[in-house]
Amino acid sequence: EPEVTQTPSHQVTQMGQEVILRCVPISNHLYFYWYRQILGQKVEFLVSFYNNEISEKSEIFDDQFSVERPDGSNFTLKIRSTKLEDSAMYFCASSGRGYSGANVLTFGAGSRLTVL
Amino acid sequence: AQSVTQLDSQVPVFEEAPVELRCNYSSSVSVYLFWYVQYPNQGLQLLLKYLSGSTLVKGINGFEAEFNKSQTSFHLRKPSVHISDTAEYFCAVTGGSNYKLTFGKGTLLTVNP
Repeated sequence: EPEVTQTPSHQVTQMGQEVILRCVPISNHLYFYWYRQILGQKVEFLVSFYNNEISEKSEIFDDQFSVERPDGSNFTLKIRSTKLEDSAMYFCASSGRGYSGANVLTFGAGSRLTVL
Repeated sequence: AQSVTQLDSQVPVFEEAPVELRCNYSSSVSVYLFWYVQYPNQGLQLLLKYLSGSTLVKGINGFEAEFNKSQTSFHLRKPSVHISDTAEYFCAVTGGSNYKLTFGKGTLLTVNP
């Protein structure tokens, strides 16, 4: 079964450092997303991406965050200057075509970011 | 705007007992509803979904859920749980044109022997 893959599975970084989280969505999917889950809390939407541009972003997704689809297969989330409160599990997701495909998101296993 | 309420943050049950995890939603547009499961230290796995058609939907691992539009609910049920069902369960809703999922806070199901 097709899956969304994320790397790294766990990253530890110092506050103020830049971090890039990588995702390979399902190959024929058109919509891409990043979500995050702070430990013990609910899964929160960060950003959605379609047709090479951001289609929607949450208030969490401020200027320190950016997304990119650099080569047609990878989908990256960059955090420019990490803060302690960025520590969380980050999930990438993708969805396909049509109302049934586009509305059903497949999630990756997540990248756990720890900011010290 | 959409929102999801999962009234129970934790549900402890004994093995082979039935379970119901409650989910209510609010939305100004037609909705599509989902349950995701997260096993310890793992990602989010789709358990089942309601897009249209029959209001009773069946998912993996013997789970089912019923969409009730008048009560704006989408409760998850299983007639007999196993130890391996211990996990966090998230109800989620999407609707409109951006396909963005809104999650509830999750219910931790703990199955005890």
